[in-house]
Amino acid sequence: KAGVTQTPRYLIKTRGQQVTLSCSPISGHRSVSWYQQTPGQGLQFLFEYFSETQRNKGNFPGRFSGRQFSNSRSEMNVSTLELGDSALYLCASSLEGTSGRARFGPGTRLLVL
Amino acid sequence: KQEVTQIPAALSVPEGENLVLNCSFTDSAIYNLQWFRQDPGKGLTSLLLIQSSQREQTSGRLNASLDKSSGRSTLYIAASQPGDSATYLCAVRPGMDSSYKLIFGSGTRLLVRP
Repeated sequence: KAGVTQTPRYLIKTRGQQVTLSCSPISGHRSVSWYQQTPGQGLQFLFEYFSETQRNKGNFPGRFSGRQFSNSRSEMNVSTLELGDSALYLCASSLEGTSGRARFGPGTRLLVL
Repeated sequence: KQEVTQIPAALSVPEGENLVLNCSFTDSAIYNLQWFRQDPGKGLTSLLLIQSSQREQTSGRLNASLDKSSGRSTLYIAASQPGDSATYLCAVRPGMDSSYKLIFGSGTRLLVRP
């Protein structure tokens, strides 16, 4: 079974630009969640989508948004990029229910100059 | 507010040693606890998942325990190898809602010396 895929793997942007990251979950997984990882803050939850609906959102500004499509693929968008948005962005997919493991993708490394 | 703490932050051991990584959490209302491994610049690999009703899980040389009432989990690695060198993260899934959200500790960076 193919794992979670994320595109692109690396991205360089300048302040003020916007960026869109993509995540394709494991086949059959309808929950997709996004995390930001930085050396200072560690891994922080951004949001989670299930069946095209956002079920939960972390404590991030409105510049961070996401969506999920009918095939469970998800995108996250960051508008008006700031230097502090430089991070590794990870997505995870899981089966519904309380027993499922989260399976993570390789991440997208974003550098904002 | 759920908080997850991992001790120690870094650990260096000689090959062959058995070791224990610690994880503590402040709210016992969890669905499960997961241990992950992360190699530098890479994504997370799921190692073990312990449901809130379970006490431990084993996979090969790894054994994870969970004491929900005291808010603690340990990851035991037997006969460590240089290939075990990585950052180990524990994460809890809060039990207050149905969404799949994980709260992570800051990790333990493990170096196994040949």
